[in-house]
This record gives sequence, structure tokens and C-alpha cells, in this order.
Amino acid sequence: RKEVEQDPGPFNVPEGATVAFNCTYSNSASQSFFWYRQDCRKEPKLLMSVYSSGNEDGRFTAQLNRASQYISLLIRDSKLSDSATYLCVVIGMTYNQGGKLIFGQGTELSVKP
Amino acid sequence: DADVTQTPRNRITKTGKRIMLECSQTKGHDRMYWYRQDPGLGLRLIYYSFDVKDINKGEISDGYSVSRQAQAKFSLSLESAIPNQTALYFCATSDSRAGETQYFGPGTRLLVL
Repeated sequence: RKEVEQDPGPFNVPEGATVAFNCTYSNSASQSFFWYRQDCRKEPKLLMSVYSSGNEDGRFTAQLNRASQYISLLIRDSKLSDSATYLCVVIGMTYNQGGKLIFGQGTELSVKP
Repeated sequence: DADVTQTPRNRITKTGKRIMLECSQTKGHDRMYWYRQDPGLGLRLIYYSFDVKDINKGEISDGYSVSRQAQAKFSLSLESAIPNQTALYFCATSDSRAGETQYFGPGTRLLVL
């Protein structure tokens, strides 16, 4: 089983749609969680961190369910510019965890006019 | 100017050749990382360094070596390139004093024939 697994995608949605991405992680001791965005042929960039209480940034809402080891990202009112691959990221738990990110394989989103 | 730069951006080489990928950063971060990205597999950690002269193996270090001679530079070497090392390589940095966000370079596309 992969340490971090995401919806396989791709997701093709019309502008204005609401879309949700799901991610599960295998290590129950993991402490830090993130969503990164990667545009085609570009580097990943941090979209938002994910907190236990959930957090929202404009049209984006991230949720964490520790009991189910599940992370979600909700995008409301999708824009064409939201088209990208969304990467679920978990901080790996080994010695001195120090920023060792473990990436899911990514879920591609394509927003159409 | 970009904070994290990688050279070369694209490289074609032949099996058995030694090549080096360079990463430089102007962010003043102490931690640096090398990842490779393959379709359907997400990003996987090759090596990471928490400070000058500190080197740690990641998930897939076989066939690679790294050097961290200065805080701002982290180089990745393929001693004898093989075709399954064809991938997109990313360098990343983070600041141990400022959380776990990693900042990625633009990537190097490597093709091993």
C-alpha cells in the first residue's frame, strides 16, 4: 500500500463547479499535511496547509480526519485557472522528521469553459 | 530572479555517462532536497541535506550521489546513467526555523538514451 494515495483522476469539470479531492495516508503518526499545486511541466507550489480544525482560503477548503487518516480539498466556483494537478503531501515519520515530504501521485483537474 | 535555480533545465545523455545536476538557492535556507518525478508515481525523494556536509538517503538513492559543499548549493550526480533514470528532477529547499514548506526549483528534464 502506498503511504499517500489520491483519487486517480482526471477530473473534468465545467467552470463554476464544485470539486472535491480525496487523499488517504497510511501512517497514523503523521503530523503535518499539505496540498500542493503543480501546473503542467512546472514545479509544485504550496497551495495550503491542512489543520485538524480545517481551514479555508477563499474558494479552497481543506479538511483533515485523523481517525480515518483522510485529507480532502474542496474547490468551489472552479475557474479555468484552477486547472492543474493537485498533490496531497504528508510529512513522513522517521527520525527527526524535519520536512521529509511524502507525495501522493497527484490528481489532475481540468476546468472547461 | 528565481530563488531556487536548477541547471541544466534539459539534458539528453547516453547510457553509462556521468552527469551532474546543479541546484542553487538564494533563500538562505538550510535544508535542501532532490526529488524525481515520474508519470503516475508522484515525486520521490532521492537525497536530502539539513546543512552543509550533512547528507541523508531518501527513498530511492541507489544510482545517485549528492554533494553539499555550501549552504546555497546542492548537486546531484548520476555516476553511470541508465535509461530508467529518465525523469523530471526537482530540487527543493526549506528553512528549519520557519516550518515545513518546501520551495521547488523549476526542474531538470533528463533523458537517458
